[in-house]
Amino acid sequence: AQTVTQSQPEMSVQEAETVTLSCTYDTSENNYYLFWYKQPPSRQMILVIRQEAYKQQNATENRFSVNFQKAAKSFSLKISDSQLGDTAMYFCAFQIRNTGKLIFGQGTTLQVKP
Amino acid sequence: GAGVSQTPSNKVTEKGKYVELRCDPISGHTALYWYRQSLGQGPEFLIYFQGTGAADDSGLPNDRFFAVRPEGSVSTLKIQRTERGDSAVYLCASSSQPRLAGGHNEQFFGPGTRLTVL
Repeated sequence: AQTVTQSQPEMSVQEAETVTLSCTYDTSENNYYLFWYKQPPSRQMILVIRQEAYKQQNATENRFSVNFQKAAKSFSLKISDSQLGDTAMYFCAFQIRNTGKLIFGQGTTLQVKP
Repeated sequence: GAGVSQTPSNKVTEKGKYVELRCDPISGHTALYWYRQSLGQGPEFLIYFQGTGAADDSGLPNDRFFAVRPEGSVSTLKIQRTERGDSAVYLCASSSQPRLAGGHNEQFFGPGTRLTVL
């Protein structure tokens, strides 16, 4: 069975600073995807960034980047130049390739302080 | 264009009652997914449709839960004999037809239905 673990229930960061959210996962599969989703208080889940396991290069999307360590089964999210609008709950998720099911971690609540 | 919509946004019911939750996917999206999110937790997969058929219903917790998508667009999640433990936010997502058979594109989520069972 696949599991996703986020060990930081809450994090805070000052506006314009950098923060890193941690995620580890467990799987015996070799072909899979990893995601970070953002869920603001409106409840709408928004995709932040996606990583394909067969790609060694870490994915980046503007201020968001990941550190993907496949051997260690680690997938952390770095947010640079944090903005007040980044305040939300962040979920790490895993998906076996060619299946539809997303498996989510427990989430990390991020507070960006002015 | 319009995103995924879910109705109602909130539903309060009494233990033992029957409820239906509706999901309108993004127009043209062939895949539709249901998840359940308990307070303070990540979403848990319930069921996934490809077109009209349920391709994977392994996440449905028991036979009180049932979902349909008769015309390959709108989907309804049905819960019979509701229990207090069913209280959660029910999220729906949809995705477009992948280029490769068996592939899955990005899932776009709706705002969810908050179900409260008293």
